[in-house]
Amino acid sequence: ETGVTQTPRHLVMGMTNKKSLKCEQHLGHNAMYWYKQSAKKPLELMFVYNFKEQTENNSVPSRFSPECPNSSHLFLHLHTLQPEDSALYLCASSQNFGPGSSYNEQFFGPGTRLTVL
Amino acid sequence: SQQGEEDPQALSIQEGENATMNCSYKTSINNLQWYRQNSGRGLVHLILIRSNEREKHSGRLRVTLDTSKKSSSLLITASRAADTASYFCATDARQGGKLIFGQGTELSVKP
Repeated sequence: ETGVTQTPRHLVMGMTNKKSLKCEQHLGHNAMYWYKQSAKKPLELMFVYNFKEQTENNSVPSRFSPECPNSSHLFLHLHTLQPEDSALYLCASSQNFGPGSSYNEQFFGPGTRLTVL
Repeated sequence: SQQGEEDPQALSIQEGENATMNCSYKTSINNLQWYRQNSGRGLVHLILIRSNEREKHSGRLRVTLDTSKKSSSLLITASRAADTASYFCATDARQGGKLIFGQGTELSVKP
């Protein structure tokens, strides 16, 4: 479907569990993103990695912890989540051209549907 | 308040009709992008229009940008049932350094 894959596609977890979401892009891009999409709300940017460096943390609670080991892989580690964290989590990638440059088109993965019980 | 807001929130038309969706934003932008999302899936990029462009075409899609009114419109001509999806505008604000998405327009095309 696209050059961005996400696993797992569906995840159900309890509030005390620890789990990780994985994203991989096969497009040679240098920027990767995590978004949260809740029902009836706009897409919320969570984290941005440019050239493997975190350049944006959009006031995300510490129970969400991103990791970007290389420019192709992005993880979102989850622990002690709340029921209101249930949402579709989308990963995206793009090719950016350095600080201050405009954002190009982003390529999205299919998302992970997360349910927190 | 959010940068991009779509109008209408929902639109239902018959196959073959044209669909027009509008997006308004608040601050100066580098570019504005439109995306489509089928139910529960990832977003797919449709078209990017830069701040110095006024109109852009891609197949059955036509996007206009009016920077004086801070608004954009997406026109889908001769719609098909397969066009049923949510459509989002996203703005790359000159100050802020990130892409901000609106709430989207849910388009339903009935066969």
